[in-house]
Amino acid sequence: KAGVTQTPRYLIKTRGQQVTLSCSPISGHRSVSWYQQTPGQGLQFLFEYFSETQRNKGNFPGRFSGRQFSNSRSEMNVSTLELGDSALYLCASSPSGGDSPLHFGNGTRLTVT
Amino acid sequence: AQSVTQPDIHITVSEGASLELRCNYSYGATPYLFWYVQSPGQGLQLLLKYFSGDTLVQGIKGFEAEFKRSQSSFNLRKPSVHWSDAAEYFCAVLESGGYNKLIFGAGTRLAVHP
Repeated sequence: KAGVTQTPRYLIKTRGQQVTLSCSPISGHRSVSWYQQTPGQGLQFLFEYFSETQRNKGNFPGRFSGRQFSNSRSEMNVSTLELGDSALYLCASSPSGGDSPLHFGNGTRLTVT
Repeated sequence: AQSVTQPDIHITVSEGASLELRCNYSYGATPYLFWYVQSPGQGLQLLLKYFSGDTLVQGIKGFEAEFKRSQSSFNLRKPSVHWSDAAEYFCAVLESGGYNKLIFGAGTRLAVHP
């Protein structure tokens, strides 16, 4: 089975721009979660989607948004980029939730200049 | 609020030596606990998980962890470390009712000397 696929692997953007990151979950997995990883704040939960519905959201500003499509693929969008948004963005999938472990992709490294 | 503490930021061990990485959590009920490993430039790989039952959990790559409720700990162990184990290790707890919201510790970076 193919793992979680995130595209692109690397992105360089300028302050004020917006960016869209993509995540394809493991086949059959209906839950997709997003995490931000930075040296200062560590790993922080952004949001989780299941069957195209956002079930949970972390403590991030409204500039961070996401969506999930009917095939479970997910995208996250960051508008009006700030330097502090530079991070590794990780996507994880699981069959449903609760006691199903998360399977992580290799992430998208976003650099904001 | 639930939290996870990994007291050791960096640990260095010699190849072949034993390893123990510490993890403490705060949560009233029985937690769902995980250990993940991250190699440079990579995502997180699940090493093992604890949901209930036997408090000694076996994982991949020869790792094991022991859940101790009395100490609120979930320490990761390996009897003999290999150079390829050099990576960053994260302990995490599933937030109650959180729909796949994991709360991570700050991580422990492991270096292995030949």
